[in-house]
Amino acid sequence: SQQGEEDPQALSIQEGENATMNCSYKTSINNLQWYRQNSGRGLVHLILIRSNEREKHSGRLRVTLDTSKKSSSLLITASRAADTASYFCAPSGAGSYQLTFGKGTKLSVIP
Amino acid sequence: DVKVTQSSRYLVKRTGEKVFLECVQDMDHENMFWYRQDPGLGLRLIYFSYDVKMKEKGDIPEGYSVSREKKERFSLILESASTNQTSMYLCASWGTSGGTDTQYFGPGTRLTVL
Repeated sequence: SQQGEEDPQALSIQEGENATMNCSYKTSINNLQWYRQNSGRGLVHLILIRSNEREKHSGRLRVTLDTSKKSSSLLITASRAADTASYFCAPSGAGSYQLTFGKGTKLSVIP
Repeated sequence: DVKVTQSSRYLVKRTGEKVFLECVQDMDHENMFWYRQDPGLGLRLIYFSYDVKMKEKGDIPEGYSVSREKKERFSLILESASTNQTSMYLCASWGTSGGTDTQYFGPGTRLTVL
């Protein structure tokens, strides 16, 4: 399995602003997933983007994938205080069901 | 909805005790995982299982063992708990839902070893 590296480590924005966090990885992937973790809780799956996709939307979430740069970004539009959480990316190779998580981006949305 | 449950949200044990952390999933998933999460270290995979009675070591298996006697249940065992095993433990199962392969996580067990 390979690990994604999230950047920045921490991000603080005002409610209503957009939040962008990035993920880089090292080897080729089959798909890449983003997860959210609220303080002291388990992880919640947000969105999966496959290697042949460049962009995907889900509600206020927009994920992009650039396989040539081995990077992905997660954009949260019109952020809310409830979006305050840590966000993790998880790249996955073909045939692999084992995910390795990095340290995440800690997002704080200030009301 | 997929549900992954863990036996305890909070657990306090003493050094040297044998500790069982239970995880149950209700979606007939074959693959299940145990992670621990520590500040500054992210999530680290301890063990995973891809079928009943099958297990594979993850990145940090030392001091842990697992049991998968039934498909829906994956147990993490600390044979002799130590203070450096104080951590948040997360269980997950992997399966397909709505055409998407993904991991589903339980709420976590915060274990303190005194």
